[in-house]
Amino acid sequence: AAGVIQSPRHLIKEKRETATLKCYPIPRHDTVYWYQQGPGQDPQFLISFYEKMQSDKGSIPDRFSAQQFSDYHSELNMSSLELGDSALYFCASSLGELAGAEQYFGPGTRLTVT
Amino acid sequence: AQSVTQLDSHVSVSEGTPVLLRCNYSSSYSPSLFWYVQHPNKGLQLLLKYTSAATLVKGINGFEAEFKKSETSFHLTKPSAHMSDAAEYFCVVTPNNAGNMLTFGGGTRLMVKP
Repeated sequence: AAGVIQSPRHLIKEKRETATLKCYPIPRHDTVYWYQQGPGQDPQFLISFYEKMQSDKGSIPDRFSAQQFSDYHSELNMSSLELGDSALYFCASSLGELAGAEQYFGPGTRLTVT
Repeated sequence: AQSVTQLDSHVSVSEGTPVLLRCNYSSSYSPSLFWYVQHPNKGLQLLLKYTSAATLVKGINGFEAEFKKSETSFHLTKPSAHMSDAAEYFCVVTPNNAGNMLTFGGGTRLMVKP
């Protein structure tokens, strides 16, 4: 079965640079979520989109922005990167945004900021 | 607001013996609860979920969890551990009154000894 696809899988950037992470949800899934997992930490919710509209917002820095496109894929744009942004970034997708809808996670993008 | 507390950061068992990973939750509303597993350098895989139906939930790979409202607990169990079960396990809650963002517990690292 098709799963959530994230690209790139690994990304190395320098401080103050920008990065764009991409997420392709499971076919027919209309909701996308972004999570950040720092080293040794549990994942933290950043932001979600349902039917191309922002649905919920968590602890996403103002330097980050995201959107969902007409084909339901999503991009997380990160600017003025800081060392503390080094983390594993997960995208998840679900069918519908109702509470309890099962979220299926991608393999993650490991971002390293040097 | 909702939260989950995983009572053990590390659990070590011998292969073939039972597994118990403990989780307590706090939620103003009847929550949806999940268990996810994360193998090293891998994404998050959904093991099982509870969404106010049967209190005993069966998941994949022989895992099950029981929702106990009176104890606000959602412990994960497996009758017999396999070496392949060694991983990080996350207890996760999402409120049923607003949105579907996941709130993760601190994680429990399960080690399985031969």
